Amino acid sequence: AQKITQTQPGMFVQEKEAVTLDCTYDTSDQSYGLFWYKQPSSGEMIFLIYQGSYDEQNATEGRYSLNFQKARKSANLVISASQLGDSAMYFCAMRENFNKFYFGSGTKLNVKP
Amino acid sequence: DAGVIQSPRHEVTEMGQEVTLRCKPISGHNSLFWYRQTMMRGLELLIYFNNNVPIDDSGMPEDRFSAKMPNASFSTLKIQPSEPRDSAVYFCASSETDFYTFGSGTRLTVV
Repeated sequence: AQKITQTQPGMFVQEKEAVTLDCTYDTSDQSYGLFWYKQPSSGEMIFLIYQGSYDEQNATEGRYSLNFQKARKSANLVISASQLGDSAMYFCAMRENFNKFYFGSGTKLNVKP
Repeated sequence: DAGVIQSPRHEVTEMGQEVTLRCKPISGHNSLFWYRQTMMRGLELLIYFNNNVPIDDSGMPEDRFSAKMPNASFSTLKIQPSEPRDSAVYFCASSETDFYTFGSGTRLTVV
């Protein structure tokens, strides 16, 4: 089974609107971490936000928030007030034991002016 | 903090040649990871080290691939002999606890 599933290969959003990028995960560990990374066209991987499995509140970092629904095993990324610079690939990732990370296939976000 | 440093940024080589990719992790990070990214397969974990010791190399595709971490500040990923299907972006990442920091990647083209 896939550890991380991102079902949206591509998304469009109008500038200044909010967008949700979906991510579901599969693990039997009690302790794990969930991450989102941004990869712009330049290729680097940029860390955006982190949610620990024991964190009760949803993580927020500026315009990014992580909608964590543990029972559903989902960790959706919400970007508020989209900007043109948000156009990029977005990867959801999960850390299990020994720091081993699993990445989803990514969602390509296009922000339209 | 200079971040994770990878070299070279770009490498073009002929099929059959040996290729060595280099990575300098962030000082103090005790885990290091090598990933390969392609359009078809996305991000694949090749191998990771903890305290310079290889922990899991199950992602290394073939015996042509080898990785070493002789000390805490340096790692190499070697492909010998290289093949066109090895063309990809190879990322190195390091971590101390929960967070990965990625290098800028090496774009390898094997012709």
